[in-house]
Amino acid sequence: QVQLVESGGGVVQPGRSLRLSCAASGFTFNNYAIHWVRQSPAKGLEWVAVISSDGNNKYYADSVKDRFTVSRDNSKNTLYLQMNSLRAEDTAVYYCAKESMRRGPNDYWGQGTLVTVSS
Amino acid sequence: DIQMTQSPSSLSASVGDRVTITCRASQSISSYLNWYQQKPGKAPKLLIYAASSLQSGVPSRFSGTGSGTDFTLTISSLQPEDLATYYCQQSSLTPRTFGQGTKVEIK
Repeated sequence: QVQLVESGGGVVQPGRSLRLSCAASGFTFNNYAIHWVRQSPAKGLEWVAVISSDGNNKYYADSVKDRFTVSRDNSKNTLYLQMNSLRAEDTAVYYCAKESMRRGPNDYWGQGTLVTVSS
Repeated sequence: DIQMTQSPSSLSASVGDRVTITCRASQSISSYLNWYQQKPGKAPKLLIYAASSLQSGVPSRFSGTGSGTDFTLTISSLQPEDLATYYCQQSSLTPRTFGQGTKVEIK
């Protein structure tokens, strides 16, 4: 069965960095685009970034552009989110979510990992 | 960015009631509209995609209609396990955007 498992969350001070991972299984990883979506009480569900199946195309929300970098290692079936210059407003649960098809829904989601940015 | 507006923000209904949630897009998104259910402490779960297609394994009491800018999610007969928050999402354009959610409570 399809599984997405995030890891790497934790408590980090403002201005510091953190890298999240998303380990995928149960499907042909290199055939699908994968998204990062975050959720906080203040902002609800907020799309963060997407990376194409081959890793060549990446798009970011304006709120994280130039601070976050999405990447993937198709040989390891793993997605990454490098988060730099973290701010208090980046505090959220971060989910990775598989895209079913181009412009299609996110049909499978991980369980989420909590990132808390606080001094 | 496309703004997604859901209404109501919350509702309370009895078991067996018909429940309707609406979602409006700030511009036309054709049928690129998806509905998710999120239970407390869990990830969102896909219910409906492409405005009206039922995701595999989702009970048939859930249905979706609409196109362009106006969409509806209907639960034909509310069940206790439907206690959750429901979100719409447009996947027509990047950035994908979500509605603010509708919290469904059981009377």
